Amino acid sequence: GESVGLHLPTLSVQEGDNSIINCAYSNSASDYFIWYKQESGKGPQFIIDIRSNMDKRQGQRVTVLLNKTVKHLSLQIAATQPGDSAVYFCAENRVIQGAQKLVFGQGTRLTINP
Amino acid sequence: GAGVSQSPSNKVTEKGKDVELRCDPISGHTALYWYRQSLGQGLEFLIYFQGNSAPDKSGLPSDRFSAERTGGSVSTLTIQRTQQEDSAVYLCASSLNFAETQYFGPGTRLLVL
Repeated sequence: GESVGLHLPTLSVQEGDNSIINCAYSNSASDYFIWYKQESGKGPQFIIDIRSNMDKRQGQRVTVLLNKTVKHLSLQIAATQPGDSAVYFCAENRVIQGAQKLVFGQGTRLTINP
Repeated sequence: GAGVSQSPSNKVTEKGKDVELRCDPISGHTALYWYRQSLGQGLEFLIYFQGNSAPDKSGLPSDRFSAERTGGSVSTLTIQRTQQEDSAVYLCASSLNFAETQYFGPGTRLLVL
């Protein structure tokens, strides 16, 4: 079946380093992807999104890359800070027969080491 | 308020009781969504509203779950005859229009004893 999955469940990086979180998807018709950050005890927080007509999009310290050929997207966080520690979810926004569903991956827990 | 709010923030109930969860979306957002998140897991889509109507109810886990939205604003998710497997965090999100970026509330943590 269709799925949105993550390569690694956990990732640890040193404070100040860059981090890369990866996500694979299998629905080639998907045209919109979102990255969410979820801190402990809170709801998911929108970080950045990208549509399939783009390969790259940049925000503040974050960059999302989309490779449609291999159906892969990544979230790059520059100069990580302790506040970046959280679980990161990629999500695929599907519209199926007029109904929208946001399909989430399992999530990657990012830990920033001091 | 500026964001999505949910109430109660925590709910402990006994098996077999009914519970009602409330979501206040961001003002002006026409679309509203409910998700469920079990401990350490990703998010499971339950249902969404466009205005007051719910075009797709297929994500509801069983007929014990129902949701409504009135006045194009507040929504309630009702779970009847709760079971222990219903224990989870129930998240609500809203978006300005259908198929646009969703903004999440803090969730309601439900524990069924």
